[in-house]
Amino acid sequence: DAKTTQPPSMDCAEGRAANLPCNHSTISGNEYVYWYRQIHSQGPQYIIHGLKNNETNEMASLIITEDRKSSTLILPHATLRDTAVYYCIVRNTGANSKLTFGKGITLSVRP
Amino acid sequence: DGGITQSPKYLFRKEGQNVTLSCEQNLNHDAMYWYRQDPGQGLRLIYYSQIVNDFQKGDIAEGYSVSREKKESFPLTVTSAQKNPTAFYLCASSSRQGRYEQYFGPGTRLTVT
Repeated sequence: DAKTTQPPSMDCAEGRAANLPCNHSTISGNEYVYWYRQIHSQGPQYIIHGLKNNETNEMASLIITEDRKSSTLILPHATLRDTAVYYCIVRNTGANSKLTFGKGITLSVRP
Repeated sequence: DGGITQSPKYLFRKEGQNVTLSCEQNLNHDAMYWYRQDPGQGLRLIYYSQIVNDFQKGDIAEGYSVSREKKESFPLTVTSAQKNPTAFYLCASSSRQGRYEQYFGPGTRLTVT
C-alpha cells in the first residue's frame, strides 16, 4: 500500500471549516483514499473514502485532486467533539488488503 | 445494537504471564483484525483473519497468538515472549463485500509490570 504524508497538527475555530490535507504521491490506479479518525483513547472511526471523484457524506467531504496525488478532508462546521487524530490511508479494496496507519494529523478545535 | 466489544477496558498483569484479550462482534463480518497502538503512534497490525479457522500474521506478530474458532470471536493472547506488551490493543472487523471499511472496538489498555 502507498504511503501518505500528513502535517502533524492543525487547529481551527469552532463552527469554521476544517481542511485536513494529505499527500499520497505514489498512489496507484486501484487504490482508494480512506479517512479515519480516533478520539483520545477510543477505537478509530471510519469517516469516508474515495477513488477519484469527490465524495460527501453526513460527516465530511473528500476532495481528491485530478492527478490523485493529494486529497483534502473537509469538516464543514467543526465542533469541539471533532478534536481527534485523523488518519489518511490509501489501500485497494481487495479482501487481503490491509490498513496501514501512520501518525495522522491531530486536529484541535478551539472554542 | 450491532458492534464490536472488547473486554476488559483496562487489564493489568505481571511480567511473565500470558494474557488473553477478548474481541467479539455481532456484525456478521467475515474478517477480523488485531492492532497495537503505542503512545503517540499509529496502529500496527498484529494478526488478521479473513475466515473462520484461518489467520495470517501482520507486521508485528512475534510474541502474540490468535485463534478463530467462531465467526464472532477473535481472541488475542499476549505471551510472555512479547518483550514490550504494555500498549493499547484494538480489535476491528470488516465485511468481505462492499467497501471493506473496518469497524473498531473500544480497545483494551494492557499494562504489564
